[in-house]
Amino acid sequence: GNSVTQMEGPVTLSEEAFLTINCTYTATGYPSLFWYVQYPGEGLQLLLKATKADDKGSNKGFEATYRKETTSFHLEKGSVQVSDSAVYFCALSDPANNAGNMLTFGGGTRLMVKP
Amino acid sequence: ETGVTQSPTHLIKTRGQQVTLRCSSQSGHNTVSWYQQALGQGPQFIFQYYREEENGRGNFPPRFSGLQFPNYSSELNVNALELDDSALYLCASSSGQLAGSGEQYFGPGTRLTVT
Repeated sequence: GNSVTQMEGPVTLSEEAFLTINCTYTATGYPSLFWYVQYPGEGLQLLLKATKADDKGSNKGFEATYRKETTSFHLEKGSVQVSDSAVYFCALSDPANNAGNMLTFGGGTRLMVKP
Repeated sequence: ETGVTQSPTHLIKTRGQQVTLRCSSQSGHNTVSWYQQALGQGPQFIFQYYREEENGRGNFPPRFSGLQFPNYSSELNVNALELDDSALYLCASSSGQLAGSGEQYFGPGTRLTVT
């Protein structure tokens, strides 16, 4: 079956530090990959996505590249802000599943950015 | 454009009771998915509805059931509540045109506590 593994948190950084959150996946088909963000007390928001190998998703200074050879989709940001403090979820959607756009999520990584 | 809304925001039930959670999908979206997010974990897929028909189901027992209405709003029903059903229940909507891409739009969730 499909699965997503991401680094455990919390990740604590100072403002303007470089961020990497690792994500690897297992899928039977050719999945689309996503990063979702959950701010305190809120639902999930799509941060970025990539639908095929070597695609780079980007948004709000965050980037992630779909690496088929390493089955990875690591999230990066060059300079984090306090406002980036949230829980980040890596997810995949595999068209080979019976529910075409069902999402399989990782366990989440909490990011805390200190001023 | 109206986003995904859910009701109630939170509720408390007793073990053995039944509960109904409601979701209004984003305008123009005909697919609704439900997820269960236990504290500190990633969301787990419960089931998905497309044009009023169940279109895929995760590893949840039959006491979790759902409906989708002609206006594409949806209900999640849980019978014989157990303590482990305590979680944040997320509804997500998407357009049939996005099927396969996996891109979904989440509501803020309903926090269910079973005592």
